[in-house]
Amino acid sequence: DAGVTQSPTHLIKTRGQQVTLRCSPKSGHDTVSWYQQALGQGPQFIFQYYEEEERQRGNFPDRFSGHQFPNYSSELNVNALLLGDSALYLCASSLGGGLSNQPQHFGDGTRLSIL
Amino acid sequence: AQSVTQLGSHVSVSEGALVLLRCNYSSSVPPYLFWYVQYPNQGLQLLLKYTTGATLVKGINGFEAEFKKSETSFHLTKPSAHMSDAAEYFCAVRPNTGNQFYFGTGTSLTVIP
Repeated sequence: DAGVTQSPTHLIKTRGQQVTLRCSPKSGHDTVSWYQQALGQGPQFIFQYYEEEERQRGNFPDRFSGHQFPNYSSELNVNALLLGDSALYLCASSLGGGLSNQPQHFGDGTRLSIL
Repeated sequence: AQSVTQLGSHVSVSEGALVLLRCNYSSSVPPYLFWYVQYPNQGLQLLLKYTTGATLVKGINGFEAEFKKSETSFHLTKPSAHMSDAAEYFCAVRPNTGNQFYFGTGTSLTVIP
């Protein structure tokens, strides 16, 4: 039973560039959430996708966008990268549009470094 | 908005000693509560969750947590620490409406042999 998989594991970009991160949810899950985890901090919610739509969004600028595909996989896109975007980006999956009592299952993340 | 406070960013215990990691949340309505563990260069692994029912929740690896509504707390405990418990621990809450998880800033647990 495959868990949440993310790619790539590491990425180095320069300021102003654009990046796309990918996530495949745990088998049987249909909801994907994205988090940013800065060094020494807890994960911060970016947004959640369900039924190919963004259902809820955290306090992140429009430079952060996403997409969910019919197979439930998801992409996170970040435009005009800033040094402060350097972080571990975590994808989490769950079932049923994020039923409140369901836990989220996390991937190992993509480490993004901005030079 | 919800907030989650984890008292003590670093906790050190001796092997075999009691582990106590503290978590308090701010909410007038009890949310759903979770503890996750993160090992270096890995994602978060669910330890346990509280949704409804019994306030003492047992999780994996011998961890348990007790939901105390009057204290708005959900502290994590383990009777006897093992070297393999050394990791970062995160408390998370989710309001019973909405889809967003709110995480604390984490507690780094060191186990001394």
